[in-house]
Amino acid sequence: GESVGLHLPTLSVQEGDNSIINCAYSNSASDYFIWYKQESGKGPQFIIDIRSNMDKRQGQRVTVLLNKTVKHLSLQIAATQPGDSAVYFCAENRAGGFKTIFGAGTRLFVKA
Amino acid sequence: DAGVTQSPTHLIKTRGQQVTLRCSPKSGHDTVSWYQQALGQGPQFIFQYYEEEERQRGNFPDRFSGHQFPNYSSELNVNALLLGDSALYLCASSAGINYGYTFGSGTRLTVV
Repeated sequence: GESVGLHLPTLSVQEGDNSIINCAYSNSASDYFIWYKQESGKGPQFIIDIRSNMDKRQGQRVTVLLNKTVKHLSLQIAATQPGDSAVYFCAENRAGGFKTIFGAGTRLFVKA
Repeated sequence: DAGVTQSPTHLIKTRGQQVTLRCSPKSGHDTVSWYQQALGQGPQFIFQYYEEEERQRGNFPDRFSGHQFPNYSSELNVNALLLGDSALYLCASSAGINYGYTFGSGTRLTVV
């Protein structure tokens, strides 16, 4: 399949450990944030989202934290599994706009 | 329930030619966005269609055009292809503003 992100920032974790992927977003006017997972040969897959009136949101094994003061977003994956290996993108929607802007991505490697 | 369907999956074109890519959104979604993803990069917003009209456009030349049909399906047309247009073209649908996208698997376009 295709290779996505040959020269992306990389995070390598041991299976079973927790992963934290960080993202700095660009615009203080952004009011909706999303994390996507992209596996080789596939389109991005929605993981979790958060709106600007929240600072934390939890899903199944994933948590997103939003710090609007420093324009920082993080994705925490609990008990990381080999199937979590992929490229992860943070994305933002700006208030009043329609488009979603993607960051550069982080490649997560999970060691068995 | 079928997700987003894109066709074709792969395409090879010659410089100067024209190409049409097709997308069927997820059932219940009325908004379609198109993205270009170069190798190693995050998706770049091309444009978004809603109610058969282009609602917002990214920084792409007029060679890139699109259309949305009454059944919400969409086409992306690229004229006068350049080598730099080689990329993965992703279609994403959503139920409205500030909802996460559902992406298709993309069309891999190679311009030679």
